[in-house]
Amino acid sequence: DSGVTQTPKHLITATGQRVTLRCSPRSGDLSVYWYQQSLDQGLQFLIQYYNGEERAKGNILERFSAQQFPDLHSELNLSSLELGDSALYFCASSVATWANEQFFGPGTRLTVL
Amino acid sequence: DQQVKQNSPSLSVQEGRISILNCDYTNSMFDYFLWYKKYPAEGPTFLISISSIKDKNEDGRFTVFLNKSAKHLSLHIVPSQPGDSAVYFCAASSSGSARQLTFGSGTQLTVLP
Repeated sequence: DSGVTQTPKHLITATGQRVTLRCSPRSGDLSVYWYQQSLDQGLQFLIQYYNGEERAKGNILERFSAQQFPDLHSELNLSSLELGDSALYFCASSVATWANEQFFGPGTRLTVL
Repeated sequence: DQQVKQNSPSLSVQEGRISILNCDYTNSMFDYFLWYKKYPAEGPTFLISISSIKDKNEDGRFTVFLNKSAKHLSLHIVPSQPGDSAVYFCAASSSGSARQLTFGSGTQLTVLP
């Protein structure tokens, strides 16, 4: 158990809908990262937050957004969902932006029908 | 453009023998490298890491070797155990990118009893 929690574990929805994925980092970690794992793209970095502020963006679509709240939990919002958004979404946390090791949650499996 | 490559999708090894997993990278800015293990339906679990100022790091049965001139790293598992059967991901980060991880595509290790 990494100490990172993610909810829900599974999510099934339809095209065009909007969903929110939630992540709670390990106790004491200020930095949260979101990654997407799809069959054809592997694990890809989406976005990073540190202590409530966005710090880095990767291959994140404009239809996707995220935020980190004062209690340090983070939410990833996916809107206007398409079939291709079906993937595993992982959250990871680390002590700070300079920290090298990241610890991953169990992931949320999103299925768009 | 794959900056981190794991060219072997799968590897089978006999229990008790050595497992060697390989990884190549192209980005000279990477200065920290990590190995993660992943079981189905779970998030990646951090295994071992190495800074670019070192060429070897050891932790129990796991040793990571880094050859900077060849832009190559490898993970050695000795002795291999059936419980080591999982997908192993190589990842890299740089200080200039908020430590976001760039992952390889993974190698499925199967340790045969």
